[in-house]
Amino acid sequence: EAQVTQNPRYLITVTGKKLTVTCSQNMNHEYMSWYRQDPGLGLRQIYYSMNVEVTDKGDVPEGYKVSRKEKRNFPLILESPSPNQTSLYFCASSTTSYSNQPQHFGDGTRLSIL
Amino acid sequence: KQEVTQIPAALSVPEGENLVLNCSFTDSAIYNLQWFRQDPGKGLTSLLLIQSSQREQTSGRLNASLDKSSGRSTLYIAASQPGDSATYLCAVPGGTNAGNNRKLIWGLGTSLAVNP
Repeated sequence: EAQVTQNPRYLITVTGKKLTVTCSQNMNHEYMSWYRQDPGLGLRQIYYSMNVEVTDKGDVPEGYKVSRKEKRNFPLILESPSPNQTSLYFCASSTTSYSNQPQHFGDGTRLSIL
Repeated sequence: KQEVTQIPAALSVPEGENLVLNCSFTDSAIYNLQWFRQDPGKGLTSLLLIQSSQREQTSGRLNASLDKSSGRSTLYIAASQPGDSATYLCAVPGGTNAGNNRKLIWGLGTSLAVNP
Protein backbone atom coordinates (compact mmCIF):
# COMPACT_ATOMS: atom_id res chain seq x y z
CA GLU A 1 0.00 0.00 0.00
CA ALA A 2 1.31 3.43 -1.01
CA GLN A 3 1.77 5.51 2.07
CA VAL A 4 3.61 8.25 3.92
CA THR A 5 4.41 7.31 7.51
CA GLN A 6 5.14 9.83 10.23
CA ASN A 7 6.33 9.15 13.75
CA PRO A 8 5.51 9.97 16.43
CA ARG A 9 1.84 10.85 15.99
CA TYR A 10 1.74 12.80 19.22
CA LEU A 11 4.48 14.29 21.36
CA ILE A 12 4.51 16.52 24.40
CA THR A 13 7.94 17.81 25.33
CA VAL A 14 9.68 20.75 26.93
CA THR A 15 11.47 23.78 25.58
CA GLY A 16 15.01 23.12 24.43
CA LYS A 17 14.88 19.34 24.26
CA LYS A 18 15.93 18.26 20.76
CA LEU A 19 13.44 16.13 18.89
CA THR A 20 13.10 14.48 15.51
CA VAL A 21 9.93 13.69 13.62
CA THR A 22 10.48 10.96 11.07
CA CYS A 23 8.83 10.68 7.67
CA SER A 24 9.09 7.75 5.29
CA GLN A 25 7.41 7.07 1.94
CA ASN A 26 7.29 3.86 -0.07
CA MET A 27 6.39 5.28 -3.48
CA ASN A 28 9.88 6.11 -4.71
CA HIS A 29 8.90 9.78 -4.83
CA GLU A 30 11.63 12.30 -5.42
CA TYR A 31 9.89 15.32 -3.89
CA MET A 32 9.18 15.49 -0.17
CA SER A 33 8.17 18.38 2.03
CA TRP A 34 7.08 19.36 5.50
CA TYR A 35 4.13 21.59 6.41
CA ARG A 36 2.83 22.91 9.66
CA GLN A 37 -0.85 23.67 10.23
CA ASP A 38 -2.00 26.37 12.63
CA PRO A 39 -5.50 27.76 13.27
CA GLY A 40 -6.21 30.80 11.14
CA LEU A 41 -2.95 30.40 9.22
CA GLY A 42 -3.61 27.13 7.44
CA LEU A 43 -0.83 24.94 6.11
CA ARG A 44 2.55 26.50 5.48
CA GLN A 45 5.60 24.84 4.00
CA ILE A 46 8.65 24.49 6.27
CA TYR A 47 11.23 22.72 4.08
CA TYR A 48 11.25 20.72 0.92
CA SER A 49 13.54 18.32 -0.89
CA MET A 50 13.71 17.72 -4.62
CA ASN A 51 15.86 14.61 -4.26
CA VAL A 52 18.50 12.92 -2.14
CA GLU A 53 20.91 15.45 -0.62
CA VAL A 54 18.89 18.36 -2.10
CA THR A 55 16.91 20.38 0.43
CA ASP A 56 15.74 23.98 0.61
CA LYS A 57 13.75 26.34 2.80
CA GLY A 58 10.04 26.82 2.49
CA ASP A 59 8.07 29.72 3.91
CA VAL A 60 8.64 29.14 7.64
CA PRO A 61 12.01 27.37 8.09
CA GLU A 62 13.21 29.14 11.24
CA GLY A 63 13.92 26.74 14.08
CA TYR A 64 13.86 23.61 11.91
CA LYS A 65 16.38 21.43 10.13
CA VAL A 66 15.94 18.59 7.68
CA SER A 67 18.08 16.01 5.96
CA ARG A 68 17.62 13.74 2.93
CA LYS A 69 20.21 11.01 3.04
CA GLU A 70 17.93 8.40 1.50
CA LYS A 71 15.17 8.81 -1.01
CA ARG A 72 12.47 7.37 1.22
CA ASN A 73 13.21 9.31 4.43
CA PHE A 74 12.90 13.01 5.22
CA PRO A 75 13.18 13.69 8.97
CA LEU A 76 12.28 17.03 10.53
CA ILE A 77 14.59 18.12 13.32
CA LEU A 78 13.86 20.65 16.03
CA GLU A 79 17.23 21.34 17.64
CA SER A 80 15.89 23.55 20.43
CA PRO A 81 12.09 23.47 20.36
CA SER A 82 10.14 26.47 21.59
CA PRO A 83 6.43 26.89 22.45
CA ASN A 84 5.74 28.70 19.14
CA GLN A 85 6.54 25.43 17.38
CA THR A 86 3.52 23.79 18.96
CA SER A 87 1.56 22.76 15.89
CA LEU A 88 0.26 19.96 13.70
CA TYR A 89 2.92 18.80 11.24
CA PHE A 90 2.45 17.01 7.94
CA CYS A 91 4.93 15.31 5.68
CA ALA A 92 4.11 15.05 1.98
CA SER A 93 5.59 13.34 -1.03
CA SER A 94 5.04 13.44 -4.77
CA THR A 95 6.67 12.96 -8.12
CA THR A 96 9.01 15.75 -9.08
CA SER A 97 7.26 17.31 -11.99
CA TYR A 98 3.78 18.64 -12.51
CA SER A 99 1.69 15.59 -13.22
CA ASN A 100 -1.73 14.10 -12.87
CA GLN A 101 -0.69 12.35 -9.69
CA PRO A 102 -1.90 13.77 -6.39
CA GLN A 103 0.36 14.56 -3.49
CA HIS A 104 0.33 12.10 -0.61
CA PHE A 105 0.32 13.11 3.03
CA GLY A 106 1.12 11.40 6.28
CA ASP A 107 -1.37 11.23 9.15
CA GLY A 108 0.22 14.17 10.91
CA THR A 109 2.23 14.70 14.07
CA ARG A 110 0.82 16.84 16.83
CA LEU A 111 3.62 18.49 18.77
CA SER A 112 3.14 20.34 22.05
CA ILE A 113 6.15 22.25 23.35
CA LEU A 114 5.77 23.33 26.97
CA LYS B 1 1.45 36.02 -4.94
CA GLN B 2 -1.04 33.18 -5.07
CA GLU B 3 -3.78 33.24 -2.44
CA VAL B 4 -6.49 30.66 -1.93
CA THR B 5 -9.80 31.42 -0.25
CA GLN B 6 -12.54 29.05 0.78
CA ILE B 7 -16.12 30.05 1.48
CA PRO B 8 -17.97 29.32 3.67
CA ALA B 9 -15.66 28.64 6.60
CA ALA B 10 -18.28 26.37 8.13
CA LEU B 11 -21.41 24.69 6.89
CA SER B 12 -24.06 22.60 8.62
CA VAL B 13 -26.62 20.68 6.59
CA PRO B 14 -29.16 17.92 7.17
CA GLU B 15 -28.40 14.47 5.87
CA GLY B 16 -29.34 13.88 2.24
CA GLU B 17 -28.84 17.44 1.07
CA ASN B 18 -26.72 18.26 -1.96
CA LEU B 19 -24.11 20.92 -1.22
CA VAL B 20 -21.38 23.00 -2.84
CA LEU B 21 -18.09 24.09 -1.36
CA ASN B 22 -16.23 26.97 -2.95
CA CYS B 23 -12.55 27.65 -3.55
CA SER B 24 -11.10 30.71 -5.25
CA PHE B 25 -7.52 31.55 -6.21
CA THR B 26 -5.94 34.83 -7.27
CA ASP B 27 -3.48 33.65 -9.93
CA SER B 28 -5.17 31.73 -12.72
CA ALA B 29 -1.87 30.29 -14.02
CA ILE B 30 -2.22 27.02 -12.14
CA TYR B 31 -1.23 23.55 -13.29
CA ASN B 32 -3.85 21.77 -11.23
CA LEU B 33 -6.06 22.05 -8.18
CA GLN B 34 -6.46 19.45 -5.50
CA TRP B 35 -9.26 18.91 -2.99
CA PHE B 36 -8.48 17.24 0.32
CA ARG B 37 -10.46 16.00 3.25
CA GLN B 38 -9.20 16.33 6.84
CA ASP B 39 -10.83 14.47 9.71
CA PRO B 40 -10.22 15.63 13.30
CA GLY B 41 -6.95 14.28 14.60
CA LYS B 42 -6.19 12.63 11.29
CA GLY B 43 -4.23 13.33 8.18
CA LEU B 44 -5.06 14.74 4.80
CA THR B 45 -6.78 12.55 2.27
CA SER B 46 -6.66 13.53 -1.38
CA LEU B 47 -10.16 13.49 -2.87
CA LEU B 48 -9.80 14.84 -6.38
CA LEU B 49 -7.13 16.44 -8.53
CA ILE B 50 -8.17 18.51 -11.53
CA GLN B 51 -5.61 19.30 -14.19
CA SER B 52 -5.62 22.79 -15.69
CA SER B 53 -6.87 21.37 -18.98
CA GLN B 54 -9.87 19.74 -17.32
CA ARG B 55 -13.13 21.28 -16.24
CA GLU B 56 -14.44 18.49 -14.01
CA GLN B 57 -13.44 15.42 -12.07
CA THR B 58 -15.80 12.96 -10.45
CA SER B 59 -15.36 10.35 -7.76
CA GLY B 60 -18.48 8.67 -6.44
CA ARG B 61 -20.74 11.33 -4.93
CA LEU B 62 -18.08 14.01 -5.35
CA ASN B 63 -17.72 16.26 -8.34
CA ALA B 64 -15.10 18.99 -8.59
CA SER B 65 -15.14 21.68 -11.24
CA LEU B 66 -12.48 24.14 -12.28
CA ASP B 67 -12.83 27.50 -14.02
CA LYS B 68 -9.34 28.89 -14.39
CA SER B 69 -10.39 32.12 -16.06
CA SER B 70 -12.52 33.12 -13.10
CA GLY B 71 -10.15 31.64 -10.52
CA ARG B 72 -12.72 29.31 -9.03
CA SER B 73 -13.29 25.70 -8.18
CA THR B 74 -16.29 24.03 -6.59
CA LEU B 75 -16.67 20.72 -4.82
CA TYR B 76 -20.17 19.29 -5.16
CA ILE B 77 -21.23 16.62 -2.69
CA ALA B 78 -24.39 14.75 -3.61
CA ALA B 79 -26.75 13.18 -1.08
CA SER B 80 -24.61 14.13 1.90
CA GLN B 81 -24.13 11.65 4.75
CA PRO B 82 -22.97 12.08 8.37
CA GLY B 83 -19.74 10.36 7.37
CA ASP B 84 -19.00 13.30 5.09
CA SER B 85 -18.50 15.50 8.15
CA ALA B 86 -14.93 16.79 7.96
CA THR B 87 -12.91 19.81 6.90
CA TYR B 88 -12.45 20.17 3.16
CA LEU B 89 -9.37 21.93 1.87
CA CYS B 90 -8.36 23.02 -1.59
CA ALA B 91 -4.79 23.63 -2.69
CA VAL B 92 -2.91 24.74 -5.80
CA PRO B 93 0.78 24.49 -6.70
CA GLY B 94 2.44 27.77 -5.85
CA GLY B 95 6.18 27.39 -5.74
CA THR B 96 7.93 30.58 -6.84
CA ASN B 97 10.87 28.76 -8.38
CA ALA B 98 11.17 25.79 -10.69
CA GLY B 99 12.84 23.77 -7.97
CA ASN B 100 9.76 23.89 -5.75
CA ASN B 101 7.00 23.40 -8.26
CA ARG B 102 5.20 20.93 -6.05
CA LYS B 103 4.72 23.33 -3.12
CA LEU B 104 1.04 23.71 -2.34
CA ILE B 105 -0.78 26.91 -1.41
CA TRP B 106 -3.76 26.13 0.76
CA GLY B 107 -7.13 27.56 1.61
CA LEU B 108 -8.18 27.55 5.26
CA GLY B 109 -10.87 24.99 4.59
CA THR B 110 -14.60 24.57 5.00
CA SER B 111 -15.71 22.69 8.10
CA LEU B 112 -18.72 20.59 7.11
CA ALA B 113 -21.18 19.04 9.55
CA VAL B 114 -23.85 16.71 8.15
CA ASN B 115 -26.56 16.13 10.71
CA PRO B 116 -28.55 12.87 10.87
